Amino acid sequence: GQNIDQPTEMTATEGAIVQINCTYQTSGFNGLFWYQQHAGEAPTFLSYNVLDGLEEKGRFSSFLSRSKGYSYLLLKELQMKDSASYLCAVRDRDYKLSFGAGTTVTVRA
Amino acid sequence: IAGITQAPTSQILAAGRRMTLRCTQDMRHNAMYWYRQDLGLGLRLIHYSNTAGTTGKGEVPDGYSVSRANTDDFPLTLASAVPSQTSVYFCASSDDSLAATDTQYFGPGTRLTVL
Repeated sequence: GQNIDQPTEMTATEGAIVQINCTYQTSGFNGLFWYQQHAGEAPTFLSYNVLDGLEEKGRFSSFLSRSKGYSYLLLKELQMKDSASYLCAVRDRDYKLSFGAGTTVTVRA
Repeated sequence: IAGITQAPTSQILAAGRRMTLRCTQDMRHNAMYWYRQDLGLGLRLIHYSNTAGTTGKGEVPDGYSVSRANTDDFPLTLASAVPSQTSVYFCASSDDSLAATDTQYFGPGTRLTVL
């Protein structure tokens, strides 16, 4: 089976930086995705990594190390609207996504 | 452009009843998926379809069936609902399930309660 681990909850202050870690053990690897999900809403795509290194998209960056089975999502200059769950998902050898349970980030004023 | 729509938004269902959750996309995506999301477990794949006319089983297919008669629609049927099927159900679609950069887009979800 697939095993994707991420912290359950994180809290940070507005304007700060938060790093959400994700470790995975899956049957094959064809890319890692990060999704954002606000309470009661659908997940929305944030980022995709298939090669090692850092991908930057505005205030959000995602890092991947395939040899370590590790990724992180970095949220900079936190805003109140960033309060949400962040889902790590790995595409396996069958090109199916397996999701972690999600990390709930709470941004305090 | 609506993207992906799901119906109903929420439903309370008696155990043993049959229920079909509807999903329609207008992006002409080839692939479609059904997930359930339960607290502490994350999204789990129920069934998928790589292209119209084909379907496959995901991680948790038991008690569910799907059909893909055309590109746009991908209904999920619970033949005889049980309380353990209480969950939030998300439909998703993507352009090409076997493409390296393929990205899934999600519908708004259906909240189902089975009593």
